[in-house]
Amino acid sequence: NAGVTQTPKFQVLKTGQSMTLQCAQDMNHNSMYWYRQDPGMGLRLIYYSASEGTTDKGEVPNGYNVSRLNKREFSLRLESAAPSQTSVYFCASRKTSGAYEQYFGPGTRLTVT
Amino acid sequence: RKEVEQDPGPFNVPEGATVAFNCTYSNSASQSFFWYRQDCRKEPKLLMSVYSSGNEDGRFTAQLNRASQYISLLIRDSKLSDSATYLCVVNVNTNAGKSTFGDGTTLTVKP
Repeated sequence: NAGVTQTPKFQVLKTGQSMTLQCAQDMNHNSMYWYRQDPGMGLRLIYYSASEGTTDKGEVPNGYNVSRLNKREFSLRLESAAPSQTSVYFCASRKTSGAYEQYFGPGTRLTVT
Repeated sequence: RKEVEQDPGPFNVPEGATVAFNCTYSNSASQSFFWYRQDCRKEPKLLMSVYSSGNEDGRFTAQLNRASQYISLLIRDSKLSDSATYLCVVNVNTNAGKSTFGDGTTLTVKP
């Protein structure tokens, strides 16, 4: 099992460019999440998907959109990147409900110039 | 007030020391609790779950105090490799499955 995978690992964008971060999990989990982590800071939830076909806003959704393509895949799109979106983006997944932990992907390091 | 609060540290301890971290949470409906470890520029990884009766995994002991709404992590006989940031995580076990993460406590173990 690969667990949670993310692509790309690194990306540099210019202000105003768009891009999609990809995330996939092979653990048959229902719930998936996107977080961002700024240098020296904690994780902040951007969007989450409790199950296939549903998505909800987290703490910091502005400037992002998501798509839960199927049970395995959950993508994050930046429509018009801004320097304030420079961060490390982590995708995570877990079983729905119950006392279950989240499993994280290796992250995408994004710099917006 | 944050939902989950941790002392950010840093905690600088010598090898072999015992160190303890506390974490407080504000939502009394919280039902499951975890400690994660995050190494520099890496993803968080589950260290251990925290059970009501307390639980131990080698040199690590986790405790939960529901009445006072805090959890703790004790590390005995610290190793250099324990240097990392430790994240406290609290779940309200709804179908949404959202977790609330603390900002982390940084530990540096020195020779």
